[in-house]
Amino acid sequence: QTVVTQEPSFSVSPGGTVTLTCGLTSGSVSTTYYPSWYQQTPGQAPRTLIYSTNTRSSGVPDRFSGSILGNKAALTITGAQADDDSDYYCVLYMGNGISVFGGGTKLTVL
Amino acid sequence: EVQLLESGGGLVQPGGSLRLSCAASGFTFSSYAMSWVRQAPGKGLEWVSGISGSGDRTYYADSVKGRFTVSRDNSKNTLYLQVNSLRAEDTAVYYCAKYGGIAVARATNWFDPWGQGTLVTVSS
Repeated sequence: QTVVTQEPSFSVSPGGTVTLTCGLTSGSVSTTYYPSWYQQTPGQAPRTLIYSTNTRSSGVPDRFSGSILGNKAALTITGAQADDDSDYYCVLYMGNGISVFGGGTKLTVL
Repeated sequence: EVQLLESGGGLVQPGGSLRLSCAASGFTFSSYAMSWVRQAPGKGLEWVSGISGSGDRTYYADSVKGRFTVSRDNSKNTLYLQVNSLRAEDTAVYYCAKYGGIAVARATNWFDPWGQGTLVTVSS
């Protein structure tokens, strides 16, 4: 069974740039998986950041960007701010109506 | 403003059942596929189920197939999830979320917005 992988944790300094990735235990992620990305803070519902690989959801600042880097989907945060300290999840479309989330990345801004 | 409001969660014994509801407003409900996503305490997100805008196509994660049933009533702008044969590992906050289009498909595979969730606790 193919699993969607994310870094369990990452840290970035305020103002810095960080790239989180979303891969597969078997195979490469491409645009055909239509990756999307979500931000979640404790006790809150997820917020949509990026869909269809690189389209920002309404109201999302342009310091969040999505791409394919090598064989993974990527979420890049440029100029990290304190309120970016959150959990980040990717989801991939696996075919036949099935979506699979990655395990999430806990991003610390310090 | 698009809003999703879940209800129906609660404490249930192993083997029990519940029906979760998600009331939608602020958009043409029948024009969008809908999903259920859950999150166990302290864990990550897990896609559970999707249903097309017309309700004629449904999809399930392997972990719930045969036990959960998704449905919708477009006349009431409401999404449902019937959860049967509940297990301790089904304990989670259950979120409903709108897909990006009418079908559950690659090009519509994102979830926005999300409701605030309803907690299901399976325990004796």
